[in-house]
Amino acid sequence: DAGVIQSPRHEVTEMGQEVTLRCKPISGHDYLFWYRQTMMRGLELLIYFNNNVPIDDSGMPEDRFSAKMPNASFSTLKIQPSEPRDSAVYFCASRGYRGANEKLFFGSGTQLSVL
Amino acid sequence: DQQVKQNSPSLSVQEGRISILNCDYTNSMFDYFLWYKKYPAEGPTFLISISSIKDKNEDGRFTVFLNKSAKHLSLHIVPSQPGDSAVYFCAARRFTGKLIFGQGTTLQVKP
Repeated sequence: DAGVIQSPRHEVTEMGQEVTLRCKPISGHDYLFWYRQTMMRGLELLIYFNNNVPIDDSGMPEDRFSAKMPNASFSTLKIQPSEPRDSAVYFCASRGYRGANEKLFFGSGTQLSVL
Repeated sequence: DQQVKQNSPSLSVQEGRISILNCDYTNSMFDYFLWYKKYPAEGPTFLISISSIKDKNEDGRFTVFLNKSAKHLSLHIVPSQPGDSAVYFCAARRFTGKLIFGQGTTLQVKP
């Protein structure tokens, strides 16, 4: 199994531009999570999906952020327009059916820099 | 509102000694706790977990202790090795499945 795959690994963009981060979860996992890592807040949950349906998006900072999961093998996190304070590492994680395995499996992350 | 807190940003210990990483939480509804380890340029990886019905779980050199009355958990690494140098995150889950992480503690194990 290739694990959770995120792309791109690094993204450098200018303020005001649209940014799209991509994630392919582990096959068979029905939960998908988007986290953001910052020094101040650590790993901050942005949104999570169950069976492609958004369950909790209360962590999404503002309307500039949106996430979709059109099918079980793909999710995107979009920032439009991007701002310098969005600079962080964004992680995608997935796991199987709750109760069978509580562990999250993380991708390698996308390092986003907004200039 | 930081429900899971790791108040020590960093910790340095000598190889062979014990490393103790601490974590506090505020929500008494949390029923499952996990520790993750993160190396630079990689995603966090699962290390060890504990259910709220237990007070201790051990896996090799790693032991997690849970004190529910104090809303406190700790990770003990004995003996510490240079390869343990990483950022350690504690996380807590409510029955909804949402996993909430702390800010992380950077552990440095000196040879």
